[in-house]
Amino acid sequence: EPEVTQTPSHQVTQMGQEVILRCVPISNHLYFYWYRQILGQKVEFLVSFYNNEISEKSEIFDDQFSVERPDGSNFTLKIRSTKLEDSAMYFCASSRQGSGNQPQHFGDGTRLSIL
Amino acid sequence: DAKTTQPPSMDCAEGRAANLPCNHSTISGNEYVYWYRQIHSQGPQYIIHGLKNNETNEMASLIITEDRKSSTLILPHATLRDTAVYYCIIRVEGSTLGRLYFGRGTQLTVWP
Repeated sequence: EPEVTQTPSHQVTQMGQEVILRCVPISNHLYFYWYRQILGQKVEFLVSFYNNEISEKSEIFDDQFSVERPDGSNFTLKIRSTKLEDSAMYFCASSRQGSGNQPQHFGDGTRLSIL
Repeated sequence: DAKTTQPPSMDCAEGRAANLPCNHSTISGNEYVYWYRQIHSQGPQYIIHGLKNNETNEMASLIITEDRKSSTLILPHATLRDTAVYYCIIRVEGSTLGRLYFGRGTQLTVWP
């Protein structure tokens, strides 16, 4: 069964450094999402992306974050200057369409640790 | 999107049916009920969704009350691998905004 894949599974970065998290969505999906989960807390929406532009973003997704679909298969989340509070699991998701009747399918995440 | 209420925890014996309730009394007619689960720190896994009718797939059954104010996710023969946090989420049909609101969910523990 097709699945969303994320790399790396674990990323350790010094505070202030840039980090890029990578995702390969399911191949025929058109909508892409990033979520994060700080240890012990809820899964939180960051951003949705469709047709090469951001559809929606949360208040968490500030200027230090950006997303890109650099080619036909990858979807990336960049954090420009990481902070300690960016330490979390980051999950990528994709769906065939963006409507309420289409489920989002998640990858297994990247654990980001900021030192 | 409508809010949901779930018990914080439940347990179930292996091999028995696990029935996980969810209240969504403010749900609107065009809102879907979705269920996801999260095993340890893995990504949320889609289970099932429905609008009005009961639904069944290879993983579970979803029973939605006639007034749509509550629903039950049924795992017919729970196994140890079903131990996870289960999330009930409401999504608007026709909305392209897409975000899912995850609450605290129900921690289901399946014991041998």
